[in-house]
Parts: sequence; C-alpha cells; structure tokens
Amino acid sequence: DTGVSQNPRHKITKRGQNVTFRCDPISEHNRLYWYRQTLGQGPEFLTYFQNEAQLEKSRLLSDRFSAERPKGSFSTLEIQRTEQGDSAMYLCASTLGQLNTEAFFGQGTRLTVV
Amino acid sequence: GQNIDQPTEMTATEGAIVQINCTYQTSGFNGLFWYQQHAGEAPTFLSYNVLDGLEEKGRFSSFLSRSKGYSYLLLKELQMKDSASYLCAVRDRSGGYQKVTFGTGTKLQVIP
Repeated sequence: DTGVSQNPRHKITKRGQNVTFRCDPISEHNRLYWYRQTLGQGPEFLTYFQNEAQLEKSRLLSDRFSAERPKGSFSTLEIQRTEQGDSAMYLCASTLGQLNTEAFFGQGTRLTVV
Repeated sequence: GQNIDQPTEMTATEGAIVQINCTYQTSGFNGLFWYQQHAGEAPTFLSYNVLDGLEEKGRFSSFLSRSKGYSYLLLKELQMKDSASYLCAVRDRSGGYQKVTFGTGTKLQVIP
C-alpha cells in the first residue's frame, strides 16, 4: 500500500464549472476525512466518513459541496458551480478507527478557479 | 466549537531548542496532535497526547496539560530541515462524533 492517494493533483477550472476529486485511503482504514487548506492557514475540516456513512459535515460545506464514499473505500468530493473562493488545497486523510491515533494525509488536490 | 491558538511564526537557530505553544478550548477533548507540514506538502504526524505529561520521541517532545488547555511541541538540536509549519490539532468528541480540528499552524524558520 502506497498510502493515501488523491487525484487529480492539480485542477484549474472556470468559475461556474463542476469539479470532482477522488481520494483512495489506505485500504484497511475505515475513517476518511476531507479538509480544505488555503495559503498560510491550517487545514479546515469539511466532512468525514466512517465506512460508507457520512457522520459529520462542517458548516463550511455549502450546498454546492457534496461528498460520497459509496462502498466504504474511495471517496469523492464534488463542488458544483465553482467560485473563486473555492480555490484551495483539498486534503484527504484516513485513519484506522478510534484506536489508531495517526491520520495519514494524501498529497492533496490543488484547485484553482479562474 | 473549538478555538485553537498558536503563534503564527517563529525563528530559531540551527542546533538550538525551540518550544511551540498551543492553547485550545473545547467541550469534548479527546486528544491533541502535532503535525509537521513542509511547504507544498501534506501534513505528517509527529505526536499524540491524550493524558497529561510529556511524550518524547527522538528530537521531538510534546507536552499536554488538559486542565490548562495547553500543549507545547519541543524541538531539540534543530536542523535546517526542521523549517516547516507545525500544526496543533485537537480531537473533539462532542456531538457524539470524533472530529479533528487544526490550528492555523506555526511557521518555523531555522537559520544557520
């Protein structure tokens, strides 16, 4: 296993377009998190899954954002009608339940909305 | 909700010791993490504290006082490669679910 994988690494899109990002967690990890990070800031929590169940969503996650983890393995994060303010690094992390204390992060998807 | 505070920037000299502080306020504390993040890269795990006291791991140590809502990360024998952002993160179990919230990070510059 090579760790948490995110695709694409970079995405440039025009304002108003829809984008979808994918995260493949470490295979035995049942918890998956999405974060957004802008320059000079720490990662901001967006949402997290335990297996296929989406347990919590941040207020930051407007109606334009949706995340899925249909089979409890990979996850997708979709942003509809992108805005310039959506430009950020989108990070995915996975952990193994409550006993494992370390979250492993993917390299992120850098979104630029022009 | 949570409130996590840490200094924005710090500068220290190669070979020296630096302490990065973090204070937090949370209703359902269930652990504190320190992560290192080099520019343009993903955060990587450094340490975890859930009980009061000091956890030592090589050149890095992390301290927690739950009653004071306070933690610090201590870096010894600083190396140039330690220049990075250091993120304090708190796990909270209020609302029945466990969520990890990050501070804004402390950008550490190590100078010769």
